[in-house]
Amino acid sequence: EPEVTQTPSHQVTQMGQEVILRCVPISNHLYFYWYRQILGQKVEFLVSFYNNEISEKSEIFDDQFSVERPDGSNFTLKIRSTKLEDSAMYFCASSGGSLDTQYFGPGTRLTVL
Amino acid sequence: AQSVTQLGSHVSVSEGALVLLRCNYSSSVPPYLFWYVQYPNQGLQLLLKYTTGATLVKGINGFEAEFKKSETSFHLTKPSAHMSDAAEYFCAVSDRKAGNMLTFGGGTRLMVKP
Repeated sequence: EPEVTQTPSHQVTQMGQEVILRCVPISNHLYFYWYRQILGQKVEFLVSFYNNEISEKSEIFDDQFSVERPDGSNFTLKIRSTKLEDSAMYFCASSGGSLDTQYFGPGTRLTVL
Repeated sequence: AQSVTQLGSHVSVSEGALVLLRCNYSSSVPPYLFWYVQYPNQGLQLLLKYTTGATLVKGINGFEAEFKKSETSFHLTKPSAHMSDAAEYFCAVSDRKAGNMLTFGGGTRLMVKP
């Protein structure tokens, strides 16, 4: 069964450093998403992406964040200058249609020291 | 704007007992509603969803949920709990816009006692 994959599973970085989280969506899906979950808090929407542009973004998704689909298979989330409060589990998801079910990857746990 | 409230961050049941996980939502549009399950060290897996049509929705692993518009609820049930059901369960609502943002509840951790 096709699945969304994410790498790395765990990333540790120093405050102020740039990180790139990588996702490989399900191959025939066209819509891509990032969510995050700070420990003990709700899963929060960050951004959705379709046709090489952002469809919707939340207030969390400020200028420090960017997304890219650099090739036909990867979808990345970049955080330019990490802060302590960026420590969270980051989930990538994809869907075949705009309102179709979103399928989630296993997550990347980001720890900012 | 959407919001989701899950009553009970932790629910404990005995094996074989009824599972009831509560979810209430608010939405400015007719909602699309979802239940996801997260097993330890895994991603979110779709259990079931309601979009339109029949209000009683059946999902995987024997779970079902009923959409009740008058109560703005979408509670998850399973007649008989199994040890393998121990996990965290998330209710979510879609904004049904082009971005299809999901708004999640806080999650309910289900524990199953032998």
